[in-house]
This record gives sequence, C-alpha cells and structure tokens, in this order.
Amino acid sequence: EAQVTQNPRYLITVTGKKLTVTCSQNMNHEYMSWYRQDPGLGLRQIYYSMNVEVTDKGDVPEGYKVSRKEKRNFPLILESPSPNQTSLYFCASSLGRSGANVLTFGAGSRLTVL
Amino acid sequence: AQKITQTQPGMFVQEKEAVTLDCTYDTSDPSYGLFWYKQPSSGEMIFLIYQGSYDQQNATEGRYSLNFQKARKSANLVISASQLGDSAMYFCAMRETNQAGTALIFGKGTTLSVSS
Repeated sequence: EAQVTQNPRYLITVTGKKLTVTCSQNMNHEYMSWYRQDPGLGLRQIYYSMNVEVTDKGDVPEGYKVSRKEKRNFPLILESPSPNQTSLYFCASSLGRSGANVLTFGAGSRLTVL
Repeated sequence: AQKITQTQPGMFVQEKEAVTLDCTYDTSDPSYGLFWYKQPSSGEMIFLIYQGSYDQQNATEGRYSLNFQKARKSANLVISASQLGDSAMYFCAMRETNQAGTALIFGKGTTLSVSS
C-alpha cells in the first residue's frame, strides 16, 4: 500500500531531551515536507526537501532540523524541545514540487513537551 | 492577506442531503493546484479532490465535486448525499508552482456535522 509512515504517533517528553520523529514513504516521491498543526494557526510548513541532500526552511523552522540522506526517509529532529513545540506534526510527500502534485500525508505525530 | 479563506467555521447537514463548503483563494501565480482534505477526529489528513488552475472542467471524485470558478477565485467543495462518516474538519488548500518551497497553504477549516 502506498503510504507515508510516521513514528512515533504519540510522544510525551520533557524540555531539552532530544527526539527524532521518523518519516518514510514508499512511493519514490522526490518531494517531502514537514508541517505542524496548532489550534487557531492551522497547518504551517517547517522544512521541505526537493530531493536527496536538498533541504530548505519553511515558514516555522526554528528549533527543528531535518536530513534527507535517502529518498524515502525524512526525519524531523528536535535537538532541545521546548513546550512551544507541543503540536500535531505531519510528514507529507509528493512526486514533484509543482502545484499539480498531490501531497500525501502521514497519520500524524502528536507531541507533548512538558 | 490570507491566501485561502474558509468563511464557515461550522456547517450542519442531515444525512442524504447535499452540502457546499466554501473556499476562496488569492494568488498571482498562473499555475496552481487547489485541494480539499478531510481531517476526521482521529487526526489524519485525507486527500479528497484536486483541481488544477488550467483545468477547464470541474473535478469530481465519487460524491465529491469541486465547483471551480476561476474568475471569482472560488473553489467550493460539494458533497452529495451526506453520510454520518462525513462528519469531520474539511480544509481547502492551494499549492503554487512558482512559490519557493511549494508549500500547501491551508485555510482554517470548516467543521461539518452530519446528523441522522
């Protein structure tokens, strides 16, 4: 089944404890992206990647890192999480980067930072 | 200025009735895509339907159709014969081909409640 898989789905952590949210897609998509969803603010892009080893900042990149060493994987790294990073996170991928490409989303990762 | 505007925070409909969810957008990019996603209470984002800026005909996918009025910059979602399982949050979104990062820009969403 074509899908984007994120792990963990739920995580409670404490301030400053490094964590990684993994994302993997099996559709050979070139474009991958991370979003966060917050009440009243909607979904905002954190980082995106056009291809392997090509990543760039989205609208809200502060406090996050990403890497794209393989085409299928795009992990999101929180080096020193803070409570304002409590959010619902989505990884998404698409075949290409144009407006004609549908973004397929993972199931979401709900993160709580205490 | 908001690029995607959904003016209906909540909509209520009875089973088997049709419902229209409104969406207007703003862009100067001639090449863009318009999307509708459904987010049930479980949280996942489910793709429903896509309309390209150059498409002449309105998109349809089963019970979903997109009423695309380009001159009015409107992309309303029509759900025919509503079902209880349609109760969810619905997001209109746009992806501009010539925008750096080609992020999907979302509206604030409309909560649809379907009753029996």
